[in-house]
Amino acid sequence: SQELEQSPQSLIVQEGKNLTINCTSSKTLYGLYWYKQKYGEGLIFLMMLQKGGEEKSHEKITAKLDEKKQQSSLHITASQPSHAGIYLCGAQTGTYKYIFGTGTRLKVLA
Amino acid sequence: DAGVTQSPTHLIKTRGQQVTLRCSPKSGHDTVSWYQQALGQGPQFIFQYYEEEERQRGNFPDRFSGHQFPNYSSELNVNALLLGDSALYLCASSPGNRGQVKLFFGSGTQLSVL
Repeated sequence: SQELEQSPQSLIVQEGKNLTINCTSSKTLYGLYWYKQKYGEGLIFLMMLQKGGEEKSHEKITAKLDEKKQQSSLHITASQPSHAGIYLCGAQTGTYKYIFGTGTRLKVLA
Repeated sequence: DAGVTQSPTHLIKTRGQQVTLRCSPKSGHDTVSWYQQALGQGPQFIFQYYEEEERQRGNFPDRFSGHQFPNYSSELNVNALLLGDSALYLCASSPGNRGQVKLFFGSGTQLSVL
């Protein structure tokens, strides 16, 4: 079965610093989703990547999917306290089922 | 336009009891999926409902059951609760078409089993 591994598991950065979160799949990805979750709350959709080499940006967050479609990275530029939370990568396996990574817990120090 | 709503937000039960969680999907969505998220883990797929039937199921025991109503809302039932069932239960809705779809999540129900 397909698995998603995220790294690092947790991250503490000073406000204004850049950071990168990685997501590696055990199988080829046909769609990779990035979500953000505040502790104990639901997931908020950030971006979806489908094509090898695809890159998308929203405000200060950029996500990329590698050419082989097995790795994705999420990059935050000039981090702010509002970026704090749990970042989860997800993938649709089969027709109806989603799987998620274990998440990266980000803390931004003001 | 209301998003996905879940109730209750918090629940405390004791071992052996039964619990029912409720979910109303986003307007225009006909598919509801349920996920269990243990502390420090990513969400795990329980099952998905479409056209009032369970369309796919994850690796969860039969103690976990569900239902979808004609208005597309859904319930998750868990019988004979175990301590290990303590988790955040998330409901996600999506349109029923095939292909890559974006999930919209509710805020979850935090279940504590004592």
